[in-house]
Amino acid sequence: AQTVTQSQPEMSVQEAETVTLSCTYDTSENNYYLFWYKQPPSRQMILVIRQEAYKQQNATENRFSVNFQKAAKSFSLKISDSQLGDTAMYFCAFMTHRGSQGNLIFGKGTKLSVKP
Amino acid sequence: DAGVIQSPRHEVTEMGQEVTLRCKPISGHNSLFWYRQTMMRGLELLIYFNNNVPIDDSGMPEDRFSAKMPNASFSTLKIQPSEPRDSAVYFCASSLQTSSQYFGPGTRLTVL
Repeated sequence: AQTVTQSQPEMSVQEAETVTLSCTYDTSENNYYLFWYKQPPSRQMILVIRQEAYKQQNATENRFSVNFQKAAKSFSLKISDSQLGDTAMYFCAFMTHRGSQGNLIFGKGTKLSVKP
Repeated sequence: DAGVIQSPRHEVTEMGQEVTLRCKPISGHNSLFWYRQTMMRGLELLIYFNNNVPIDDSGMPEDRFSAKMPNASFSTLKIQPSEPRDSAVYFCASSLQTSSQYFGPGTRLTVL
């Protein structure tokens, strides 16, 4: 069974600085997807970034980038130039590529606070 | 383009009552997922549909929970009878094939 572990329950960062959130996962699959979702106080789940396991290049979306280490089963999220609006819970998630569809398996989340 | 729509946004009910949560997926998406979020268990999948057919309902807690998807644009999650331990935020998400899942705003359910 696949598992996703986020070892940092809470983190804080000063506005405009850079922060990295950690995520590790366990799977015997070779093809899969990894995601980071953001959940602000409004509780809306917002997709931040996605990585296909077969791609060696790390995904980037504006200020958000990932460091995907397939052999180490590590998938960290880097937020550059942190903004107050980045304050939220961040969830790492895994989805198998097997079959026509798959459900997301989530980590427990990291609560990020951006301080002015 | 409208995202996933859920209703109601908040529901407060008494133990033993029937609760029905509704979801409209993003137009054109062929998969729909129901998740539940609690402090104790985090986010967990309850059931998902592919082309309106239930594929995996192993996450449904017990027979009190049921879900339907009568057509491509509508799904319901029903709890009958409801219990206080069902209190949680229930999310609906949709996706196209194996692409990313997009979540609705969630329904916060409180069972007294």
